[in-house]
Amino acid sequence: EPEVTQTPSHQVTQMGQEVILRCVPISNHLYFYWYRQILGQKVEFLVSFYNNEISEKSEIFDDQFSVERPDGSNFTLKIRSTKLEDSAMYFCASRDRERSTGYTFGSGTRLTVV
Amino acid sequence: QQQVKQSPQSLIVQKGGIPIINCAYENTAFDYFPWYQQFPGKGPALLIAIRPDVSEKKEGRFTISFNKSAKQFSLHIMDSQPGDSATYFCAASRTYSGAGSYQLTFGKGTKLSVIP
Repeated sequence: EPEVTQTPSHQVTQMGQEVILRCVPISNHLYFYWYRQILGQKVEFLVSFYNNEISEKSEIFDDQFSVERPDGSNFTLKIRSTKLEDSAMYFCASRDRERSTGYTFGSGTRLTVV
Repeated sequence: QQQVKQSPQSLIVQKGGIPIINCAYENTAFDYFPWYQQFPGKGPALLIAIRPDVSEKKEGRFTISFNKSAKQFSLHIMDSQPGDSATYFCAASRTYSGAGSYQLTFGKGTKLSVIP
């Protein structure tokens, strides 16, 4: 079964540093997402991406965050100048076509900011 | 308006029992209500989903009941097994054209433990 692949599985970074979280969505999917889950809390939408641009973003997704699809396979989330409260599990997800509702989530990257 | 409220926070049942997890939403624009199952260290996986034009949907041992007037929906797991022990999230989304990205609004999750 096709999978969404995320790397690394765990990243530790110092406060103020930049991190890039990487995702390889399912190859024929067109819509890409980042969600995050702070430990013990609900999964929260960050951003959606379609046709090489952001289609929607939440209030969490401020200027500190950016997304990119640098080639035909990777989808990245960059966090500039990380803060302690950015510590969370970050999930990438993809969806195949306009009317499809089924997301496929990756296994996540646990980001720890120290 | 965008919230989805989920209860209980945790649930312990014996093998064979029928755990029930409840969710309530506020935004009447939501038209798609999935349930996700998450095992430790894994991402959420779609379990079953319902649209508001039906009141119940069954897939195997999993059933969603939907009450549009009350803006509530629930997940029932029949003949629960220890392998069902996981965290379950309800979610809601708007999916009609022009609604944007089909972003999911999640509940806070229910940690289910099924005791042998």
